[in-house]
Amino acid sequence: GESVGLHLPTLSVQEGDNSIINCAYSNSASDYFIWYKQESGKGPQFIIDIRSNMDKRQGQRVTVLLNKTVKHLSLQIAATQPGDSAVYFCAETYGNNRLAFGKGNQVVVIP
Amino acid sequence: DAGVIQSPRHEVTEMGQEVTLRCKPISGHNSLFWYRQTMMRGLELLIYFNNNVPIDDSGMPEDRFSAKMPNASFSTLKIQPSEPRDSAVYFCASSPQADTQYFGPGTRLTVL
Repeated sequence: GESVGLHLPTLSVQEGDNSIINCAYSNSASDYFIWYKQESGKGPQFIIDIRSNMDKRQGQRVTVLLNKTVKHLSLQIAATQPGDSAVYFCAETYGNNRLAFGKGNQVVVIP
Repeated sequence: DAGVIQSPRHEVTEMGQEVTLRCKPISGHNSLFWYRQTMMRGLELLIYFNNNVPIDDSGMPEDRFSAKMPNASFSTLKIQPSEPRDSAVYFCASSPQADTQYFGPGTRLTVL
């Protein structure tokens, strides 16, 4: 079931290569950022988060980088696998529990 | 943990009918969120509750939409009367504090 935009930026990556997904956020007061992965027909799934007092955080095969100077967030996926094919959303929050989501980036892994 | 549970998973209805979407948050989470996702507008926050109290409903499109959370383990989103433009996937999410939100599988609503 499609639940994402038809004209999302798309990253095609060969299986085994590294992927980098970029996101520009809007509010300089944002203090918490999350990356979500959404597979077709499913809800967004938490991948990794980072607070504004950090500039890098690593998880299993994923790394998030935060550049507050230019309000830029990136998600790096190491050794991309077919199961990584999905839409990836960045989200920011600046209080009141509200998450503001980006439009999403489609990642297509080529076997 | 079963995660956030939503029902129904799919709903097809005719314009003018009442639609009720249901959500059971993760046990122990004290914040609950309703989102709508469409191709054109992406993910939009409709309303969120903290400790069963509506905190921010500024995203609710209009008076046809209403949401309730009668207790910590149940919430409903109601559309009455429904219109074709309400067709979307509706997600419920819950959060333990002012922190990461965990999403349910969504309800795909089609209004004919």
